Amino acid sequence: GDSVTQMEGPVTLSEEACLTINCTYTATGYPSLFWYVQYPGEGLQLLLKATKADDKGSNKGFEATYRKETTSFHLEKGSVQVSDSAVYFCALRTGGSYIPTFGRGTSLIVHP
Amino acid sequence: DSGVTQTPKHLITATGQRVTLRCSPRSGDLSVYWYQQSLDQGLQFLIQYYNGEERAKGNILERFSAQQFPDLHSELNLSSLELGDSALYFCASSAGTSITDTQYFGPGTRLTVL
Repeated sequence: GDSVTQMEGPVTLSEEACLTINCTYTATGYPSLFWYVQYPGEGLQLLLKATKADDKGSNKGFEATYRKETTSFHLEKGSVQVSDSAVYFCALRTGGSYIPTFGRGTSLIVHP
Repeated sequence: DSGVTQTPKHLITATGQRVTLRCSPRSGDLSVYWYQQSLDQGLQFLIQYYNGEERAKGNILERFSAQQFPDLHSELNLSSLELGDSALYFCASSAGTSITDTQYFGPGTRLTVL
């Protein structure tokens, strides 16, 4: 079946540091890829998405590129802020099963 | 605010009991999804409904059932509750069934089984 693997956290950074959260996937078929973010005490919200190979999703300074050859969708940000502290989930969905598959989540803690 | 509402916010009950969680999707969205989030299992997809019909099924236990009503709100019924059912239950909605659709998540219902 489909699966998503994310780097384990927590990731702890100082403000203005660079961020990379790795995400790799296994999918039968051609997936759409997503990054969701969950702030403390809230539900998940979409951060960005990409629906075909080589697409780059971007939002709020975050970006991720759909790499079919390496089956990856790594999340990057050039300069993190304290307000970026949250849990980040990589997810995929394929047309075969329509079942959304989420990674375990990576906690990001940004210190001033 | 995602536009998805869930009630109740918190629920405390005993083993063996039955509870109903309610979800109202965003205005105009026809798909509703249910998820269970726990520390050991992460975020697990349970089931999806589209315009009243079951569309996709994940790791949903036989003790759990769901339905989507003509007004598009959905209910998740959990019965014969066990300690291990304690978790956050999220509802999400999307416009349709496309795999590119964004899902909008509600704030969740925290279920505690004692």
